Amino acid sequence: GAVVSQHPSWVICKSGTSVKIECRSLDFQATTMFWYRQFPKQSLMLMATSNEGSKATYEQGVEKDKFLINHASLTLSTLTVTSAHPEDSSFYICSATDRGYGYTFGSGTRLTVV
Amino acid sequence: SQQGEEDPQALSIQEGENATMNCSYKTSINNLQWYRQNSGRGLVHLILIRSNEREKHSGRLRVTLDTSKKSSSLLITASRAADTASYFCATRLGGSEKLVFGKGTKLTVNP
Repeated sequence: GAVVSQHPSWVICKSGTSVKIECRSLDFQATTMFWYRQFPKQSLMLMATSNEGSKATYEQGVEKDKFLINHASLTLSTLTVTSAHPEDSSFYICSATDRGYGYTFGSGTRLTVV
Repeated sequence: SQQGEEDPQALSIQEGENATMNCSYKTSINNLQWYRQNSGRGLVHLILIRSNEREKHSGRLRVTLDTSKKSSSLLITASRAADTASYFCATRLGGSEKLVFGKGTKLTVNP
């Protein structure tokens, strides 16, 4: 079946630094990728939608300059949290879709900013 | 934004019992999906029910959909401790591919 690989699975960084999270579709071409954020004991909140070769579309209230998304190819999307602060600590999950495969989720990245 | 509202928010049962979780949504849908999330992990797709379907089964899972009430339910029969997880319903918004999740139900199955 469709597999999405997300790395790293966890990361601890210092406040003010940037962190990059990768999401790769391994056996299918992801026409669209989504990035979600999940706080403890809460649901997934959609942050942005990215299509290969075009700019990401951000949801209301999500700072596009802080959460940089690059969807350079049909199998790779990256989320960079720039100048991270403790309030950015969260669980970030990507999802990829190809019409034939539905939605496939990565295993998530636990970001802790200290 | 969140489309669905699940209830209960938390459910604790004994192994062997059935667990029922409900989801309500706000807008018209093409389909509704249920996902499972183990603590701190990614999501696993459980079942999809289309808007023209009323009930669907998959193993110990039974999903119903009532489009007139904009609600769906997920029934897990003969629960096992391994079913302990959070369960979310999700719907697509309008004609977009965005998948929006409900608040989820945290299910605990006690051995």
